[in-house]
Amino acid sequence: QAGLTQPPSVSTDLGQTATLTCIGNNNNVGHQGAVWLQQVQGHPPKLVFFRDNNRPSGISERLSASRSGNTASLTIAGLQAEDEGDYYCSAWDTNLSGWVFGGGTKLTVL
Amino acid sequence: DVQFMESGGGLVQPGGSLRLSCGGSGFTFDSHWMSWVRQAAGKGLEWVATIANDGSEKYYVDSVKGRFTISRDNGKRSLYLQMNSLRVEDTAVYYCSSSNVGWGQGTLVTVSS
Repeated sequence: QAGLTQPPSVSTDLGQTATLTCIGNNNNVGHQGAVWLQQVQGHPPKLVFFRDNNRPSGISERLSASRSGNTASLTIAGLQAEDEGDYYCSAWDTNLSGWVFGGGTKLTVL
Repeated sequence: DVQFMESGGGLVQPGGSLRLSCGGSGFTFDSHWMSWVRQAAGKGLEWVATIANDGSEKYYVDSVKGRFTISRDNGKRSLYLQMNSLRVEDTAVYYCSSSNVGWGQGTLVTVSS
């Protein structure tokens, strides 16, 4: 089943800001909004945003999320070493009647 | 705190069966749709199945239709995945999740002869 499009990797300096993107279509990101997940090596995925920009309790306010049309974005300000990991976006696809995922973006903090 | 706890994974031969379970706590279990998502070693996330909060709707990825069955028992705050006719390509860590609540720690399913 068709997935969402994410850049494979993003590298940004410590203390700077990184923005990760996720491109879908009118049936998924553009219709239902996006979910963002963080996965640190060797650990399960962790929910960091749902329905575009709703932050679960315990998630740092350095992370923010937004959506413009069919593109969702996750921004991490003041990058720290602990922010390194894989970031996945996901959305419910009304045409496929299922969840679609992006391939993930590997974030490296330099 | 929100918690999901999966169990039931293990080693099974091709063609065999397994039943995964997931207990949820710290949130209103019967208000949330629940899903199973899997991740093969070194790979990305793949959606497997989703069930409505009251069990009235169920959805599956094409590759598991007719082989896997998702179900839930809201009284026991539990989610299940019955997996039959398992294939080598079903080998993965299986996570239970709710899209606006969180994810579990995962349980490893290995299909091998």
